[in-house]
Amino acid sequence: AQSVSQHNHHVILSEAASLELGCNYSYGGTVNLFWYVQYPGQHLQLLLKYFSGDPLVKGIKGFEAEFIKSKFSFNLRKPSVQWSDTAEYFCAVKGYSTLTFGKGTMLLVSP
Amino acid sequence: DADVTQTPRNRITKTGKRIMLECSQTKGHDRMYWYRQDPGLGLQLIYYSFDVKDINKGEISDGYSVSRQAQAKFSLSLESAIPNQTALYFCATSGRSSTDTQYFGPGTRLTVL
Repeated sequence: AQSVSQHNHHVILSEAASLELGCNYSYGGTVNLFWYVQYPGQHLQLLLKYFSGDPLVKGIKGFEAEFIKSKFSFNLRKPSVQWSDTAEYFCAVKGYSTLTFGKGTMLLVSP
Repeated sequence: DADVTQTPRNRITKTGKRIMLECSQTKGHDRMYWYRQDPGLGLQLIYYSFDVKDINKGEISDGYSVSRQAQAKFSLSLESAIPNQTALYFCATSGRSSTDTQYFGPGTRLTVL
């Protein structure tokens, strides 16, 4: 069975601060990894995904994530956050057929 | 994403009532999913369907049933609603490849009194 662990439940940052959200997964086979974002009152949207190739993946809105196979990690980063990045962020792993989500990290960016 | 729609968007009901949540998609995807979201728990998979004749239980299927009426339609039913089924419910769709993105609907907020 696959599982996902997100390190932080809540993160509070000031605008222009750098962001790193931790994500570790557990799965014995080839994985596909995703980060989704949920803005307040909205549905989930894809930020980025990794399935092969360059382990550094760039997504929308300046986000990127690095897949480190030896650490079973897929951490999300952004060099400089904005107030509009306030949202909940979900890491997810897809093994054979279905997505398994982490419990989410709520990011609050203060102006 | 307007390609995946859910009805109703909000629903308040009473314990013991039967409730149906509907999902429609215009993306032409074969695969459809139902999740529930609870604060601090992330999303949990209730049921999924890889095509009209293939329906599978997810992590938390007890108390729920589904119907795949067509490729584009996937309904979730609560046969006898209970208060701990109060949650935000999302439908999602994807293509057949394991690398395909899941696209989510806007969600249905269900309250069971």
